[in-house]
Amino acid sequence: GDSVTQMEGPVTLSEEACLTINCTYTATGYPSLFWYVQYPGEGLQLLLKATKADDKGSNKGFEATYRKETTSFHLEKGSVQVSDSAVYFCALSDRTNAGKSTFGDGTTLTVKP
Amino acid sequence: NAGVMQNPRHLVRRRGQEARLRCSPMKGHSHVYWYRQLPEEGLKFMVYLQKENIIDESGMPKERFSAEFPKEGPSILRIQQVVRGDSAAYFCASSPPTNEQYFGPGTRLTVT
Repeated sequence: GDSVTQMEGPVTLSEEACLTINCTYTATGYPSLFWYVQYPGEGLQLLLKATKADDKGSNKGFEATYRKETTSFHLEKGSVQVSDSAVYFCALSDRTNAGKSTFGDGTTLTVKP
Repeated sequence: NAGVMQNPRHLVRRRGQEARLRCSPMKGHSHVYWYRQLPEEGLKFMVYLQKENIIDESGMPKERFSAEFPKEGPSILRIQQVVRGDSAAYFCASSPPTNEQYFGPGTRLTVT
């Protein structure tokens, strides 16, 4: 079945440091890939997405590229801010699997001033 | 366009009681998904519904849990005879026919 494996946390960085959170997936069909962010006590917000190989999703300085050859969708940001502190979830959604999403276990990011 | 709405946001039940969680999808969305998030864990798929139909319930526990999405009104996730292990955050998501899902704020269920 479908699965998503993302880098274990927690990750602690200083402000303006570079961020990479690794995500790899397995899927039987042709999935779309997503990164969601969850702030404390809140629901998930879609951060970015990519629907086919080599697509790059970007939003708020975050980027991730859909790499079919390595089945990866790593999240990157060049300079993090304290306000980026949250839990980040990598997910895939597969049209051949009723469209339901499969999530990674989440990576907690803490950015210190 | 209002987002996905869930209520209540917080729900406290004693063991053995019933919990009813409601989800109103975004306007124009006909697909609803329910997920459960246990403390310090990721989201686990429970059930996928379209209006009046359960499409995939492979993530639902076999007993005590049920879900519906009637022709009129919100989707309901019902948990009968709750136990402490049911304490979690329950998230609803809705989507149009494309597969991008929009999440509600969640209902945090505490079983005492």
